Amino acid sequence: QKEVEQNSGPLSVPEGAIASLNCTYSDRGSQSFFWYRQYSGKSPELIMFIYSNGDKEDGRFTAQLNKASQYVSLLIRDSQPSDSATYLCAVTGGSYIPTFGRGTSLIVHP
Amino acid sequence: GAVVSQHPSRVICKSGTSVKIECRSLDFQATTMFWYRQFPKQSLMLMATSNEGSKATYEQGVEKDKFLINHASLTLSTLTVTSAHPEDSSFYICSAHERGYEQYFGPGTRLTVT
Repeated sequence: QKEVEQNSGPLSVPEGAIASLNCTYSDRGSQSFFWYRQYSGKSPELIMFIYSNGDKEDGRFTAQLNKASQYVSLLIRDSQPSDSATYLCAVTGGSYIPTFGRGTSLIVHP
Repeated sequence: GAVVSQHPSRVICKSGTSVKIECRSLDFQATTMFWYRQFPKQSLMLMATSNEGSKATYEQGVEKDKFLINHASLTLSTLTVTSAHPEDSSFYICSAHERGYEQYFGPGTRLTVT
């Protein structure tokens, strides 16, 4: 069974710091990796996707993928209180059906 | 990114009645849409995969006769909760993908069954 593991948190960081969110997955055949942000009471919003090993940067967000270690992470630089949310990691393995982690709760305190 | 809408955003119904939720892809055609359910403080649970022009594929443990899915066009999928009961109260979310593997979620429908 394909599994995606995330620390549920909460991860608490001060405003302006770097928040580091981690995700591991069990299926070595996984090909596509996604990070979604979900505010309380709202639906998930896609913020990053990465397909190749290495780093991918988009504004304050950087996704990092290491397929050998089956590890994907999301770094949020200059964290803001508005970044406080649950971050979901999702992985697909060649089909369009993703496997989601349970999410990590991030709290950015002023 | 692609835009997915859902209607209604909130619905309250009495036990035993049926509720229909619509999911639309607004600026792209979606041959496949997905329906999820999420209980408070829990993770997303995939209920079914909705395929345009064919029967939906339900996940294990999801009653196909209770959660009717219709994908009549490339931009519309509907989920009907039949004979709803209080335990069906949840946040229902649809999603679709445009070309790649990334999914775009609708805003969700909060169902409360009294």
